[in-house]
Amino acid sequence: GNSVTQMEGPVTLSEEAFLTINCTYTATGYPSLFWYVQYPGEGLQLLLKATKADDKGSNKGFEATYRKETTSFHLEKGSVQVSDSAVYFCALSINNNDMRFGAGTRLTVKP
Amino acid sequence: DAGVTQSPTHLIKTRGQQVTLRCSPKSGHDTVSWYQQALGQGPQFIFQYYEEEERQRGNFPDRFSGHQFPNYSSELNVNALLLGDSALYLCASSYRQGSSGNTIYFGEGSWLTVV
Repeated sequence: GNSVTQMEGPVTLSEEAFLTINCTYTATGYPSLFWYVQYPGEGLQLLLKATKADDKGSNKGFEATYRKETTSFHLEKGSVQVSDSAVYFCALSINNNDMRFGAGTRLTVKP
Repeated sequence: DAGVTQSPTHLIKTRGQQVTLRCSPKSGHDTVSWYQQALGQGPQFIFQYYEEEERQRGNFPDRFSGHQFPNYSSELNVNALLLGDSALYLCASSYRQGSSGNTIYFGEGSWLTVV
C-alpha cells in the first residue's frame, strides 16, 4: 500500500545550523508529496509540496525535491531559526484522496 | 477568506457516550476529509466526503460515521466512545475529489478526551 517513512526524532539543532529530515515513500501510481508543519497546540499547515518527479517545493527557506529514482522527498533548510521549532510531517496523496502521513519529526532549535 | 473551521476546539466525553464534531471547509472547496491524530503520531485517514457521499474510508470501525451537507460542511460522529478514541480530530478540505495537485487545507482540529 501507499506509505511514508520519515526520520525519527527528536532532532535538536543550534540556531543557523543546517537541517535535513529524511522522507521516503512507497506508492502505486504517481503520488503528490507534501511537507506539513505543526506548531505546538495547532493544526497542520502546508509547508511545501511537489506534484511530479524532479519538482522542487520551497517555502520559508525550506526545500524538498521529489526524487522518483530514490523514492525520496527530504526536507532541507540551510539555516534554522528558533521559530522553526515544530513537528514536521511528510505525506503523500494520490489524486487528493486519502493522505498518508509519516509519524512526524520533532525539531527543536536552540538559541 | 476563512480557512477550514472546526468546532468544538476541545471537549471531554465519558466512555460509551457519543460525540459529533463539525467542520466548515475553506471557501470554494467541496471535498472534506477527516483524520484522527493520536498524541505523538501522524494523522490517520478516517474518511472523505464529496457530493454528500462517503467516497473513501480508512481502517476505522463503523462507530465512526459522517455526513456532508449541501453547503459542503461536514460532521464526524463517533458512537460508543472508547478511551482509545482520545485524539485530535482534524478536518481537511480541498477542491474536487480525485484531482491531483490541488492543495489540501487543514483546520486547527478538535481535541477529544474520553474519560
